[in-house]
Amino acid sequence: EDQVTQSPEALRLQEGESSSLNCSYTVSGLRGLFWYRQDPGKGPEFLFTLYSAGEEKEKERLKATLTKKESFLHITAPKPEDSATYLCAVRVFRFGNEKLTFGTGTRLTIIP
Amino acid sequence: ETGVTQTPRHLVMGMTNKKSLKCEQHLGHNAMYWYKQSAKKPLELMFVYNFKEQTENNSVPSRFSPECPNSSHLFLHLHTLQPEDSALYLCASSRGTGIGGANQPQHFGDGTRLSIL
Repeated sequence: EDQVTQSPEALRLQEGESSSLNCSYTVSGLRGLFWYRQDPGKGPEFLFTLYSAGEEKEKERLKATLTKKESFLHITAPKPEDSATYLCAVRVFRFGNEKLTFGTGTRLTIIP
Repeated sequence: ETGVTQTPRHLVMGMTNKKSLKCEQHLGHNAMYWYKQSAKKPLELMFVYNFKEQTENNSVPSRFSPECPNSSHLFLHLHTLQPEDSALYLCASSRGTGIGGANQPQHFGDGTRLSIL
């Protein structure tokens, strides 16, 4: 069974304090790992797709990395507007159809 | 208007009511999805449509009935719901669901917050 585990469940940082969020996965036949950001009352907003171990993607203060067993979302010098829940999802193909399995997310709070 | 639009944003209904959720995508995608998001739980896939055809029903109770009249519109018809069905219902779309649609992310609407009295 495909599994995705995100840690920590919640993280509070001071503005400017860098840290990392973890997404570990157990799947057969990974066809992509996705990071999303979700603000309260909103749907998930796409951030990154990673396909192979060693790949890295960057966007503003965020950098996503991927190994064969986990992905990290590094946040550098965060600002209060980076506060959100960050979701990780892995994609596999089963019987010709794609399937996304999500983690429960990390709720990030940046304190001014 | 761009992206994925869901209506209504909030819905309160009794267990005996019948209501429908609507989703419309303006991205030119061919696949559409319904997810359920409950507190402290991962997003749960409910239904998948690809080119208007249902390709997945993730063991969803029959009190939830999807409808996809075309690639841009998706409905979720609700009847005789239970209190445990209270949740955020999210619609998403993507270019496709098969290998040919690979490497394309799903894009989500802002959801309908459903409360069952």
